[in-house]
Amino acid sequence: GEEVAQTPKHLVRGEGQKAKLYCAPIKGHSYVFWYQQVLKNEFKFLISFQNENVFDETGMPKERFSAKCLPNSPCSLEIQATKLEDSAVYFCASSQGVSGGYNEQFFGPGTRLTVL
Amino acid sequence: AQSVTQLGSHVSVSEGALVLLRCNYSSSVPPYLFWYVQYPNQGLQLLLKYTTGATLVKGINGFEAEFKKSETSFHLTKPSAHMSDAAEYFCAVSDTWGKLIFGQGTELSVKP
Repeated sequence: GEEVAQTPKHLVRGEGQKAKLYCAPIKGHSYVFWYQQVLKNEFKFLISFQNENVFDETGMPKERFSAKCLPNSPCSLEIQATKLEDSAVYFCASSQGVSGGYNEQFFGPGTRLTVL
Repeated sequence: AQSVTQLGSHVSVSEGALVLLRCNYSSSVPPYLFWYVQYPNQGLQLLLKYTTGATLVKGINGFEAEFKKSETSFHLTKPSAHMSDAAEYFCAVSDTWGKLIFGQGTELSVKP
């Protein structure tokens, strides 16, 4: 598609429950990025993929967070055993590349996760 | 490591006045710099970017920014503010792996 699609738009989970978020990148884009926006302002990078391969996972909390990008499927971000502090808006972005003129990231509308 | 500092968490201007949003960066390599805008309950939209070449970059909606290496700055300007410019603005630098490191954001208010 021409836009990055994210589902669901809103997700409510009780503390300890699992949450799974989905992202369909723009067709033809090789890179997918996940960011977490807490408290409206602060963006934190989580993980990126080059096609189905993990490209950079330096921001990923390893204990409860996992992510995948499988061929012919939306990418996913999963949080096992959610905590109150996981409440945030999770944004997915995609780009053609990571250097030169190809590194513009196009953002999806986000998934708002509320952990009660 | 790269970092971004946006001076002023909130800027208020009158409609028709100059908009100036400040951004300073730190980078050990030639930076790629970006300005994004976020309207309420929406994702980020790219306003403009600097990669190489001309240091004065023009973007959408009449915005522009100038890359000043000596000052490590990439301030965003618009000659005449419009009510529709009210939003949150984020400056970002990308590292060599492509991930964006964002500033804290500046909320722009436009008074009639």
